[in-house]
Amino acid sequence: NAGVTQTPKFQVLKTGQSMTLQCAQDMNHEYMSWYRQDPGMGLRLIHYSVGAGITDQGEVPNGYNVSRSTTEDFPLRLLSAAPSQTSVYFCASAEGANYGYTFGSGTRLTVV
Amino acid sequence: QQPVQSPQAVILREGEDAVINCSSSKALYSVHWYRQKHGEAPVFLMILLKGGEQKGHDKISASFNEKKQQSSLYLTASQLSYSGTYFCGTIYRGTYKYIFGTGTRLKVLA
Repeated sequence: NAGVTQTPKFQVLKTGQSMTLQCAQDMNHEYMSWYRQDPGMGLRLIHYSVGAGITDQGEVPNGYNVSRSTTEDFPLRLLSAAPSQTSVYFCASAEGANYGYTFGSGTRLTVV
Repeated sequence: QQPVQSPQAVILREGEDAVINCSSSKALYSVHWYRQKHGEAPVFLMILLKGGEQKGHDKISASFNEKKQQSSLYLTASQLSYSGTYFCGTIYRGTYKYIFGTGTRLKVLA
């Protein structure tokens, strides 16, 4: 059981570059979310999905896009990287609204 | 808009007890608790359902007061392994956004 798999684990980008953070889960979970966590801070919701084809914005969506073409995959795209997007990004999934979330191991992103 | 946790930080000696609170200004469906160790991802601990039902995990238990929209996490006879940051997580009624509280840093000393 792989759970939630995030790739890459580390990434350095130059300002203005774009990239996609990958997230895949093998638990057939309908709910998936992306969070960012800045040093010493809490988890802020970027985008979320409640099923294939259904996505919506979280609290801090600017500069990010998502898509959910399958139940398993929920990639996060950074459109034009900025230093303010330097953070640790977590993908998480849950069976439904009243279930706890399972997290991936995170992607540590640095934008220079 | 996120739930507010208190205290922000707490230091304990092994064997001491602690209470962490999670308060919301909005109606909640349920509350979940997580622990995050330094450099790792958060790990789900337990779920609290409406009606104050408690779900325990080892010597960690919790309660959910619907009227006050508040949940409390009780750590009894703390162990070194309890150190980390604790977050409450929830979905506000009427939305599907799963958001986390402000977090409480807990350190247990030998």
